[in-house]
Amino acid sequence: QQQVKQSPQSLIVQKGGISIINCAYENTAFDYFPWYQQFPGKGPALLIAIRPDVSEKKEGRFTISFNKSAKQFSLHIMDSQPGDSATYFCAASMKGNAGKSTFGDGTTLTVKP
Amino acid sequence: NAGVTQTPKFRVLKTGQSMTLLCAQDMNHEYMYWYRQDPGMGLRLIHYSVGEGTTAKGEVPDGYNVSRLKKQNFLLGLESAAPSQTSVYFCASSYSTTGGAGIGYTFGSGTRLTVV
Repeated sequence: QQQVKQSPQSLIVQKGGISIINCAYENTAFDYFPWYQQFPGKGPALLIAIRPDVSEKKEGRFTISFNKSAKQFSLHIMDSQPGDSATYFCAASMKGNAGKSTFGDGTTLTVKP
Repeated sequence: NAGVTQTPKFRVLKTGQSMTLLCAQDMNHEYMYWYRQDPGMGLRLIHYSVGEGTTAKGEVPDGYNVSRLKKQNFLLGLESAAPSQTSVYFCASSYSTTGGAGIGYTFGSGTRLTVV
């Protein structure tokens, strides 16, 4: 049973456009939702994260939108740049679970110049 | 720079051979994890540790063993490698938090393992 479903699998956006990646979760006990960015040949790196007591969090061009009732959260990348081309993973974790995260399958983003 | 270091970066094994992957972190993190990454399947947890001397099974533990004799090191062993274990392996670490609330990981750069 996949607890975190991520879409789309791949995404192509023009430079300057908005990239949107969506995730849906099933377990209402999840209380921490991070996004990771992974460049080819590198390990994932924490990009931005949100807890369910807020509906939105913004850091520079990156924004997480969180909909608790729908059990969905999304990553928005404003003014997308070729340097944003990478694989993005959403994840979810809950208290008292040894910090274990469940990951989505990933989205490969390509930003065309 | 502080972080998570994985060795080796690449390895080719023959079926039935054994090997150990080493993960070392210098951030004094309590929690450490081993994940494998396969195309289209995201990151799947193999084993994890909540502190020195403790280990536990994750989602896909079969065929792997781990040890955490020192807080900063987390070793992943393959006793008899199989082609199905061809993958990219990532180690990650994180702080423990009050009540065990979720917190982000620091990942290593990965070990690309091919079993032929």
